[in-house]
Amino acid sequence: EAGVAQSPRYKIIEKRQSVAFWCNPISGHATLYWYQQILGQGPKLLIQFQNNGVVDDSQLPKDRFSAERLKGVDSTLKIQPAKLEDSAVYLCASSLSQRGSYNEQFFGPGTRLTVL
Amino acid sequence: KQEVTQIPAALSVPEGENLVLNCSFTDSAIYNLQWFRQDPGKGLTSLLLIQSSQREQTSGRLNASLDKSSGRSTLYIAASQPGDSATYLCAVRPRDAGNMLTFGGGTRLMVKP
Repeated sequence: EAGVAQSPRYKIIEKRQSVAFWCNPISGHATLYWYQQILGQGPKLLIQFQNNGVVDDSQLPKDRFSAERLKGVDSTLKIQPAKLEDSAVYLCASSLSQRGSYNEQFFGPGTRLTVL
Repeated sequence: KQEVTQIPAALSVPEGENLVLNCSFTDSAIYNLQWFRQDPGKGLTSLLLIQSSQREQTSGRLNASLDKSSGRSTLYIAASQPGDSATYLCAVRPRDAGNMLTFGGGTRLMVKP
């Protein structure tokens, strides 16, 4: 079974530019998550989707970050404009569901963003 | 607000040693706790998941324990090997929220040959 796919793996941009990341979850997984992991810290949830609806985006900086999952499968996360402090690894994860015994999350390899 | 702390932040041991990684959390109302491994430049790999009703879980040389009342979990690695070198993260899932994981900062482990 294929795992969670993410692209690109690495991205270097200058501040004030925009960038987009793509995630394809495991087939059949209804719930999709985007995390931000700053160097030396644990991942922090940015946004959680259940199918194509947003469940939790309370920690998403909405003035510059946006995310969508239009068809309930793959998802994109966008930053516009980027700031230096956005340099981090962006991890995507998916789970069968968000509740009960089907909520174990599986993580993709991440996209490492460097903002200069 | 749930806070998760991992001590130590970094650990270096000679090959063959048994070691313990610590994780503490402030809110005991959790659904489960999970230990992950992260290799440099890679995503997270789940190692062990302990439900709130369980006390421990074992997988090969790994043993994770959970003491929910005191807000603590430990990951025990027996007979460490250089291949165990990685960052180990613990995460808790709250009982009354969707599926939001709160992570600790991780312990960076180096096992020297």
